[in-house]
Amino acid sequence: KNEVEQSPQNLTAQEGEFITINCSYSVGISALHWLQQHPGGGIVSLFMLSSGKKKHGRLIATINIQEKHSSLHITASHPRDSAVYICAVGDGNQFYFGTGTSLTVIP
Amino acid sequence: GAGVSQSPRYKVTKRGQDVTLRCDPISSHATLYWYQQALGQGPEFLTYFNYEAQPDKSGLPSDRFSAERPEGSISTLTIQRTEQRDSAMYRCASLTTGGGSKGNTIYFGEGSWLTVV
Repeated sequence: KNEVEQSPQNLTAQEGEFITINCSYSVGISALHWLQQHPGGGIVSLFMLSSGKKKHGRLIATINIQEKHSSLHITASHPRDSAVYICAVGDGNQFYFGTGTSLTVIP
Repeated sequence: GAGVSQSPRYKVTKRGQDVTLRCDPISSHATLYWYQQALGQGPEFLTYFNYEAQPDKSGLPSDRFSAERPEGSISTLTIQRTEQRDSAMYRCASLTTGGGSKGNTIYFGEGSWLTVV
């Protein structure tokens, strides 16, 4: 049973392309995080969402609570955006993680 | 501290030995999580603490795994009689208050890579 599903699993894009990564979840939510895992293994939190939309630089995250769905968009993608992006959903007790989307941006 | 610190970063141990991993969370953070992450997979929940209380340890794979946070700050994860299938990265993460609270950010440690040979 996967409480959090991400798509696509792998994504290759040309530099400059607009990228969308999707996350669907089945648990009751108190917060959703989009995380970025670097090739060296470190994980950083990009966004925490409980409703609506957030924007930080070229990154935009949206969440639809009724549809239990969130998207992470990257505008004007760059090779340095290459990483694994993970959706994590908190139900108030623990976080459930998607398996991640591996993004490669080609110059 | 400025971030979540984990030690050791890398540990190779023989099958059957006991291993203890340490997590030093951000000092103001009440909630601490332990996760296991296999290569190419997302983190899998093991257990979590609110200060020294451990409300949920349902993710611990067997009774060989145990975690402590006796003073509500530093936490340890102990694996007894290690098996090869225990080989993975073990990650610690912390939040300022209860899991998922609005406005809080989850911070991850760099993880401890465990290899059981």
